[in-house]
Amino acid sequence: EDQVTQSPEALRLQEGESSSLNCSYTVSGLRGLFWYRQDPGKGPEFLFTLYSAGEEKEKERLKATLTKKESFLHITAPKPEDSATYLCAVQAGSSGSARQLTFGSGTQLTVLP
Amino acid sequence: SQTIHQWPATLVQPVGSPLSLECTVEGTSNPNLYWYRQAAGRGLQLLFYSVGIGQISSEVPQNLSASRPQDRQFILSSKKLLLSDSGFYLCAWNGGETQYFGPGTRLLVL
Repeated sequence: EDQVTQSPEALRLQEGESSSLNCSYTVSGLRGLFWYRQDPGKGPEFLFTLYSAGEEKEKERLKATLTKKESFLHITAPKPEDSATYLCAVQAGSSGSARQLTFGSGTQLTVLP
Repeated sequence: SQTIHQWPATLVQPVGSPLSLECTVEGTSNPNLYWYRQAAGRGLQLLFYSVGIGQISSEVPQNLSASRPQDRQFILSSKKLLLSDSGFYLCAWNGGETQYFGPGTRLLVL
């Protein structure tokens, strides 16, 4: 069974204080690892897809990295508008054309001004 | 560009009442469609997915059902709601390898 564990559950940072969110996974043949951002009361917004160990992707203050067992979402010099819940999900090779995702429970990030 | 709609945005229903939530996608054809439920402070739980008209796969046994009467329409239903059906319901579609989500429906069962 595919599993995704995110840590910490909640993180409070001061504006400008860089940190990382962790996503550990077990999956039968990783097809892709996905990061989403979710604001309260809204649907998740796609951020990144990573496909193989060693891959990195960046978007503004966010950088996602991938190893064979985990992914990190690095937040550099965060701003209050980065406050949100960040969700990690994996897609197994066995999902075929259905392409189901298995989600972690998320990390709730709060950036204080 | 592709757009996904869900309605209603918010719904308050008594226990035992029926349910119908609708999701439609614009700007694409033959998408995979998904229904998720998100409990407060929790991750997303996949309920149903569909790879085509009339094709429904269930991931979690429960009193909910799904139907796909048209290529870009996905409906989540229940004949009798339970208190435990309360939550945030999200519809998603597949664009290539990535799933894109709708705005969600907040359901409160009293």
